Amino acid sequence: EVQLLESGGGLVQPGGSLRLSCAASGFTFTSCAMNWVRQAPGKGLEWVSAISGSGGSTSYADSVRGRFTISRDNSKSTLYLELNSLRAEDTAVYYCAKWKGADYDWRYYFDYWGQGTLVTVSS
Amino acid sequence: QSVLTQPPSASGTPGQRVTISCSGSSSNIGSNAVNWYQQLPGTAPKLLIYSNNQRPLGVPDRVSGSKSGTSASLAISGLQSEDEADYHCAAWDDSLNGVIFGGGTKLTVL
Repeated sequence: EVQLLESGGGLVQPGGSLRLSCAASGFTFTSCAMNWVRQAPGKGLEWVSAISGSGGSTSYADSVRGRFTISRDNSKSTLYLELNSLRAEDTAVYYCAKWKGADYDWRYYFDYWGQGTLVTVSS
Repeated sequence: QSVLTQPPSASGTPGQRVTISCSGSSSNIGSNAVNWYQQLPGTAPKLLIYSNNQRPLGVPDRVSGSKSGTSASLAISGLQSEDEADYHCAAWDDSLNGVIFGGGTKLTVL
């Protein structure tokens, strides 16, 4: 059974930093690209970032590029998201989402999601 | 503002058939597959339809998807109370080189 367990969310002041983690199990971690997708309160879903199965390729939404960094530790089957220079508009539930293929490209889709971790940016 | 357009709400009575639309452009739905996600209240999204009209294991056949040109639709027949949820469409966008979502449609079972 595929399981994705996020952690690391919380309350942070504007301009602050946070590191999210996603522990994965139940599948071959290195065979799948991984993503972070967020959902602001009462809003729709927004893709944030992706990393290939090998970790050699990353992608970011324009809204977070230069502030967020995605990474993975394949020896621990864990995905990370480093959030810096946080803004009020970054407040959202952040979901870890498994990609069907090893590379983040047009051929595939998100096939499993974690339960999410809430990030609140407020003074 | 979402690049894919969905109606914010839809409703139906038990047993009815409802459809939810998702409109895009040539750079997304027009050239790539559409996927649908169901989000029950207070929970994470779950894959409902992939590759326009394919159902993952466990999704009942009363749920179906279709695509024509730059639009797609999700249909749920024999509506049940447990279908009450938010439904999100998604597709790869060639211009943005990433996945885009619709704004989501809240389905209410009356």
